[in-house]
Amino acid sequence: KQEVTQIPAALSVPEGENLVLNCSFTDSAIYNLQWFRQDPGKGLTSLLLIQSSQREQTSGRLNASLDKSSGRSTLYIAASQPGDSATYLCAVSSSNSGYALNFGKGTSLLVTP
Amino acid sequence: DAGVIQSPRHEVTEMGQEVTLRCKPISGHNSLFWYRQTMMRGLELLIYFNNNVPIDDSGMPEDRFSAKMPNASFSTLKIQPSEPRDSAVYFCASNPQVAGDTQYFGPGTRLTVL
Repeated sequence: KQEVTQIPAALSVPEGENLVLNCSFTDSAIYNLQWFRQDPGKGLTSLLLIQSSQREQTSGRLNASLDKSSGRSTLYIAASQPGDSATYLCAVSSSNSGYALNFGKGTSLLVTP
Repeated sequence: DAGVIQSPRHEVTEMGQEVTLRCKPISGHNSLFWYRQTMMRGLELLIYFNNNVPIDDSGMPEDRFSAKMPNASFSTLKIQPSEPRDSAVYFCASNPQVAGDTQYFGPGTRLTVL
């Protein structure tokens, strides 16, 4: 069974810092990996999708990398802002889960002014 | 497009009552997923459909839970009878292909069973 782990569980940084969120998964036979953002009491917003054949994806201040062989992904946030405060979820779609997503428990990020 | 639509947004009920959650996927999407989110277990897949057919229901916790997709534009998740431990946020998601595409999530239904 695919297991997805996110470290750290919570993170607090001052505004302007660059930061890295980590995600690891146990089964490297994945179709893709996604990073989502969830604001309190809200649904999920997809940030970046990396196909299994890709190494990274970028969107604005966000950059996600994927190392399938080691079962790791990182989400890099440049020049963090208070508006980035949210929970960030990593999810993988893999062969042993059909096409559904296996989620990590998330990293709760607080960016202080 | 209005996105994935879920109703109700909030539901408070008493133990033993039947609860029905509803989902309308994005038009043209042929896969639909039901997830449950709790503080303890995070987000977990309950069931997913492809072309209205249930493909994997191994995440459905027990027989009290059932899901249907009578047509491409509507799905229900029913809990009967409900229990306090069913309290969670239930998300519906859809995507246009079975593999390789992002999933689009609805706003969720927050269920509280007293």
